[in-house]
Amino acid sequence: QITLKESGPTLVKPAQTLTLPCTFTGGAGVGWIRQPPGKALEWLALIYWDDDRRYSPSLRNRLTITKDTSKNQGVLTMTNMDFADTATYYCVQPLTPGTLDLWGQGAMVIVSS
Amino acid sequence: DVVMTQSPLSLPVTLGQSASISCRSSQSPAYSDGNTYLNWFQQRPGQSPRRLIYKVSNRDSGVPDRFSGSGSGTDFTLKISRVEAEDVGVYYCMQGTHWPYTFGQGTKLEIK
Repeated sequence: QITLKESGPTLVKPAQTLTLPCTFTGGAGVGWIRQPPGKALEWLALIYWDDDRRYSPSLRNRLTITKDTSKNQGVLTMTNMDFADTATYYCVQPLTPGTLDLWGQGAMVIVSS
Repeated sequence: DVVMTQSPLSLPVTLGQSASISCRSSQSPAYSDGNTYLNWFQQRPGQSPRRLIYKVSNRDSGVPDRFSGSGSGTDFTLKISRVEAEDVGVYYCMQGTHWPYTFGQGTKLEIK
């Protein structure tokens, strides 16, 4: 059974850069979705098994997604963090096109000075 | 971006009754490969979302057959027959055809 696990800081200051690793036990693509408290889900970025990268158009200039298949790890970097970026960040895995087969437990990130 | 509009946003249901959630997309999620990448996810309180349905009507392993998906074009429906207490949570539709993939606002199912 494939699992995903997010790690990283729970508290960041405004203007800092957030780095979120996700370790997975199978598959080859990985993505990130976030959910502000009490709000809906929002796509951030996705990297497929062939290194095709997709970014949210509204956040593209702040995001970088990479993966290291040898380490079974994907990493999301988000620059210039703001209070509005406070959310639970979910690592997700598409094993087939057009869907999200698996979700991690989520990592709560709070932006506070 | 493709806008996914769900209704209702709040759905009080009596145990044992049926519930239906509508999802309308601003563009068809039908893809040139012949598939329609319309998904449904369930998020129970305090948990991560999990997929229930993919490609409109395919139920995931372990999902009770009380859950069914249907639809075509731009109109899709998730139906839950014989609602149980464990079905409480928020349900999201998501299109996986046009990037960025987009979610509906969520429908909160509660027991009356």
